Amino acid sequence: GQQVMQIPQYQHVQEGEDFTTYCNSSTTLSNIQWYKQRPGGHPVFLIQLVKSGEVKKQKRLTFQFGEAKKNSSLHITATQTTDVGTYFCPYNQGGKLIFGQGTELSVKP
Amino acid sequence: DGGITQSPKYLFRKEGQNVTLSCEQNLNHDAMYWYRQDPGQGLRLIYYSQIVNDFQKGDIAEGYSVSREKKESFPLTVTSAQKNPTAFYLCASSIFRIPFVNTGANVLTFGAGSRLTVL
Repeated sequence: GQQVMQIPQYQHVQEGEDFTTYCNSSTTLSNIQWYKQRPGGHPVFLIQLVKSGEVKKQKRLTFQFGEAKKNSSLHITATQTTDVGTYFCPYNQGGKLIFGQGTELSVKP
Repeated sequence: DGGITQSPKYLFRKEGQNVTLSCEQNLNHDAMYWYRQDPGQGLRLIYYSQIVNDFQKGDIAEGYSVSREKKESFPLTVTSAQKNPTAFYLCASSIFRIPFVNTGANVLTFGAGSRLTVL
């Protein structure tokens, strides 16, 4: 069956460093979404990618969808303490969103 | 303001008791979902409903039950049959469209969650 692996599971960075998390699928994805969950909070939608090779930016965040639509990445430039949290890339499976473990980002001031 | 309201925020239960978690949305969303999150883990789908009076099991439905009698409401009952019920429970809703790729559709809005502890 379809599987999407997200790496790394944990990332600790110094404030100001860049951060990237990757989602890799065994099969072609119709679309992929990204969510952020702050510690103690609930997931919040960030963006949805649909087109092959799509790149979208939100301030310091850059989202990419691979040409083959089998992988996606989230890159944060110059991390800040407000970026702390877990980032998820759920995928659609038969009309429902399947979440993996996500990548937990911690930022040292 | 539109949103999803989950209650209670914290709940303590004795072993052997059933508890019901409330989830109400005023976003006029078609679909509603229940996820469970354990410490340091991702979200696992318990049940979901794409339309009133219909719902489907997710990956970990055993020990849980739901109903969808109204579009706005999707309560989750954690029964005594659920062996490890202590967890953070998240309700979500979305506009539901086929095909799934429509921009803006099938994007989840989450409630603040209910934290259940079994004593």
